[in-house]
Amino acid sequence: GNSVTQMEGPVTLSEEAFLTINCTYTATGYPSLFWYVQYPGEGLQLLLKATKADDKGSNKGFEATYRKETTSFHLEKGSVQVSDSAVYFCARRPTGNQFYFGTGTSLTVIP
Amino acid sequence: SQTIHQWPATLVQPVGSPLSLECTVEGTSNPNLYWYRQAAGRGLQLLFYSVGIGQISSEVPQNLSASRPQDRQFILSSKKLLLSDSGFYLCAWSGQGRTGELFFGEGSRLTVL
Repeated sequence: GNSVTQMEGPVTLSEEAFLTINCTYTATGYPSLFWYVQYPGEGLQLLLKATKADDKGSNKGFEATYRKETTSFHLEKGSVQVSDSAVYFCARRPTGNQFYFGTGTSLTVIP
Repeated sequence: SQTIHQWPATLVQPVGSPLSLECTVEGTSNPNLYWYRQAAGRGLQLLFYSVGIGQISSEVPQNLSASRPQDRQFILSSKKLLLSDSGFYLCAWSGQGRTGELFFGEGSRLTVL
């Protein structure tokens, strides 16, 4: 199959806490992997991506490493801010033209 | 640089009325184009995608349809809206090849009453 499974939310953290949002995918071929972020009332924005095994995507303090052996692409940030409150989506693009998204994880960061 | 626009941003329509959402992409050619729907508090559902003019793939049977009359224009339509069509509709584009990402429009909030 072509599923993406990500951690159920909602997640609530205090400012400066460590964040992990788990994402695993069904291993079919060599997909590219993505994390998107959606702020309230807006479309999705690309946060980071990795296109091959062991690649690490990073942006705005967020990181995710493409782990082929565990078929995972977990999102991490060492110190979250209130402005990181949003919904985060993991996605994969196996080959060609289709993208598959997880169900989204809502993050709320409180001061 | 590439940009994507969709409109209208918000609309309220009665049940049984028609729908037309439009999306255009600038700064690229021969993009793959997509329509997604996001119901309240839920994930993304792929509705249609297109790899070229006049080529539409439907992922979910429903009373919606899509058309691509020009290379960078993608239209989502319905002849008669249902209550269940309410949601946040997102247009997106990608380049060819498996490493390219999706670029999303701003979204269109549809409320069917």
